Amino acid sequence: DAKTTQPNSMESNEEEPVHLPCNHSTISGTDYIHWYRQLPSQGPEYVIHGLTSNVNNRMASLAIAEDRKSSTLILHRATLRDAAVYYCILRVNSGGSNYKLTFGKGTLLTVNP
Amino acid sequence: ETGVTQSPTHLIKTRGQQVTLRCSSQSGHNTVSWYQQALGQGPQFIFQYYREEENGRGNFPPRFSGLQFPNYSSELNVNALELDDSALYLCASSSLLTGFEAFFGQGTRLTVV
Repeated sequence: DAKTTQPNSMESNEEEPVHLPCNHSTISGTDYIHWYRQLPSQGPEYVIHGLTSNVNNRMASLAIAEDRKSSTLILHRATLRDAAVYYCILRVNSGGSNYKLTFGKGTLLTVNP
Repeated sequence: ETGVTQSPTHLIKTRGQQVTLRCSSQSGHNTVSWYQQALGQGPQFIFQYYREEENGRGNFPPRFSGLQFPNYSSELNVNALELDDSALYLCASSSLLTGFEAFFGQGTRLTVV
């Protein structure tokens, strides 16, 4: 399975930007980079995904290195509700709807008021 | 549209027993995946169903089995329960229309004693 490496934990202050790093040195050309987050006592929630170019949506931005061996999830202004475990996942392209999400342990983000 | 719902939310079983967990996928989603999440770990892929057929399986023994029904709802069955089967079981639904986003339920917390 394609592997990602993330810090175990990170801390941020409310209303400050947060940069969550992820290394994926074994990524293949067709693997998509996905981010999900899991709030306490809930199932994972999709955040963002990308292939080569940087991506923005209402929740976050995803910055992908030119060699695609690393990426950074950016939360522009952290709120207390952003405290969660953030998972960086490589979605291996196996065609059609046949794919699985291979989760690691993720990064536990703590947001201080 | 309704989200992914799982039942029951919690249950306790005795080692050696059998259990059935249920998942109602989001309206229009024809693909359902099941994940096992042990305490402090990321979710691990069990298997995926697409149009009522198993469409990919993770590293789980045959005593983990499933079904998908014509309305795309799904069941996860586990026979001969072991203490290590104690975990949060998550169901995720998706379809080609959702693109790359999987929608997760809140999970069923199974405790085997």
